[in-house]
Amino acid sequence: DVKVTQSSRYLVKRTGEKVFLECVQDMDHENMFWYRQDPGLGLRLIYFSYDVKMKEKGDIPEGYSVSREKKERFSLILESASTNQTSMYLCASSQGADYGYTFGSGTRLTVV
Amino acid sequence: KNQVEQSPQSLIILEGKNCTLQCNYTVSPFSNLRWYKQDTGRGPVSLTIMTFSENTKSNGRYTATLDADTKQSSLHITASQLSDSASYICVVSEGNQAGTALIFGKGTTLSVSS
Repeated sequence: DVKVTQSSRYLVKRTGEKVFLECVQDMDHENMFWYRQDPGLGLRLIYFSYDVKMKEKGDIPEGYSVSREKKERFSLILESASTNQTSMYLCASSQGADYGYTFGSGTRLTVV
Repeated sequence: KNQVEQSPQSLIILEGKNCTLQCNYTVSPFSNLRWYKQDTGRGPVSLTIMTFSENTKSNGRYTATLDADTKQSSLHITASQLSDSASYICVVSEGNQAGTALIFGKGTTLSVSS
């Protein structure tokens, strides 16, 4: 089975800190995604990547950046954390549109 | 506008009972529809994926149906168990693209009580 591993289950950071969320997948998938999930809003796409060093903005990229230096690793970066970025962050990978998406367990980030 | 609407928003049933969750979508062009189960504090896990030509797919006690003409899908859970308590998310893929073309419903929260 495809495994998507997110480095932290829970994080608490202070406003203004630079935050790194790491995601690693072990099935050589080309496509990787970062979503945030908030009550009543569902999942919203932040950024995605179709290949190494390639990135595309999703629906809500403001305040975030990403890095994909290796195929298996996709990092989400909060340049200067703010309280409105308190959320559950989910990483996913996929072999392609006709295949399922495998999600990580999520990182619940609290910015205080 | 591409949208995925799920109903009900929440549902409480007794252990052993059956239930059906609904998903209506306006996504076009349609590629596929997926149902995910998300336990509290965890990431979503895929239950089923159906393309345009499929109208039913089962995964154990979970059976998904798809009516591409009316743009409706349902997820039927048979003989519910306490472990079925979770959020169920319907996701529709637009066209043949990955990533930005996934349209997520807001989910149905199911609580199974003993």
